[in-house]
Amino acid sequence: DQQVKQNSPSLSVQEGRISILNCDYTNSMFDYFLWYKKYPAEGPTFLISISSIKDKNEDGRFTVFLNKSAKHLSLHIVPSQPGDSAVYFCAANGNFGNEKLTFGTGTRLTIIP
Amino acid sequence: DVKVTQSSRYLVKRTGEKVFLECVQDMDHENMFWYRQDPGLGLRLIYFSYDVKMKEKGDIPEGYSVSREKKERFSLILESASTNQTSMYLCASSKNNQPQHFGDGTRLSIL
Repeated sequence: DQQVKQNSPSLSVQEGRISILNCDYTNSMFDYFLWYKKYPAEGPTFLISISSIKDKNEDGRFTVFLNKSAKHLSLHIVPSQPGDSAVYFCAANGNFGNEKLTFGTGTRLTIIP
Repeated sequence: DVKVTQSSRYLVKRTGEKVFLECVQDMDHENMFWYRQDPGLGLRLIYFSYDVKMKEKGDIPEGYSVSREKKERFSLILESASTNQTSMYLCASSKNNQPQHFGDGTRLSIL
């Protein structure tokens, strides 16, 4: 039972354009969401987060949007750069905090120069 | 900068062996976690710990145990390794209400 779903295993985007990565969840008790980025042969690194009291959080080129009624969040990267090529995982937690995160299956983003 | 160090990057063991994976963090974090990452399945939580000598089962604890005798160290133990435990193992740590920081992983092959 996959409670956090990333339905696109891969995504290719032209350099300079917007990358949009999507994530859906089924557990209505989740109230804190995170995005992690993972390069090959490295551990995931934290990118950005959002709590359920907000619908948008922005950090430089990265913006996360949360639609609670649709149980959907998305990560926007503008403009996309070659260094953004990585696997992106969304994660969710039901405790305002991040003990026991539930991760999605990941989306491999490739930025085409 | 937070440093989470996993003792081995690559490990090859045989079925039936007892396997120890070690993880050390240097930031006095309360929480430590063990995940495995498999293609198409994302990261799945095996065990986590809120404090020394405390442990909680994650989503897939079968075939594994853990030990946390000191705050900075969290060990994952495969009691009797099997081929379906071939995977990438990731350790993470965090302070309460802060993002988890991950090590670079141990790629474990069970032959």
